[in-house]
Amino acid sequence: QQPVQSPQAVILREGEDAVINCSSSKALYSVHWYRQKHGEAPVFLMILLKGGEQKGHEKISASFNEKKQQSSLYLTASQLSYSGTYFCGTRRSPASGGYQKVTFGTGTKLQVIP
Amino acid sequence: NAGVTQTPKFRVLKTGQSMTLLCAQDMNHEYMYWYRQDPGMGLRLIHYSVGEGTTAKGEVPDGYNVSRLKKQNFLLGLESAAPSQTSVYFCASSPSGLLNSPLHFGNGTRLTVT
Repeated sequence: QQPVQSPQAVILREGEDAVINCSSSKALYSVHWYRQKHGEAPVFLMILLKGGEQKGHEKISASFNEKKQQSSLYLTASQLSYSGTYFCGTRRSPASGGYQKVTFGTGTKLQVIP
Repeated sequence: NAGVTQTPKFRVLKTGQSMTLLCAQDMNHEYMYWYRQDPGMGLRLIHYSVGEGTTAKGEVPDGYNVSRLKKQNFLLGLESAAPSQTSVYFCASSPSGLLNSPLHFGNGTRLTVT
């Protein structure tokens, strides 16, 4: 099953913050985050491996709660360049099998306006 | 630095025709994946391969076949195209055994079946 992302879409003004959530019904080993511009391939942002881990990438950071099987992507002081569709991808734990697969959520469309 | 290359970039087929999409990577990656992307549905895994000569089904394998005769190439075949297979197809690759490795995506193939 695909992980569930929320919200499906969000519009921000430059400088505003946003949070995108990703949750799974399966035990997770890792969570990937990607951004895709219109007509382009998804581009890797970050991977989170451990429960409770939080990583940052410029003004974009993320957390991973392994027990809740949830991850959140935080975009602070948004810029026009942040516009695009954000996808979370999940790998299940090796013990549960199928860990070679990365399963993506349905995406969150983010638009940053001046 | 070619990375992951998909051919063709665009294709129009008539219902019932067949075709093969080619994915080639020059990073010596073991794992390769085929996804399809449809509006509102994110990226859905069609088939994947964890090494030369191996393939496995993903979430939406029906109507597709794959082959991995050479490590660097992963072919996706449509034996009898249907309008429901109109989509954008992305190939991706990642190193083996490194579950914290991101996926590297090709630029996609836009397929229309009339």
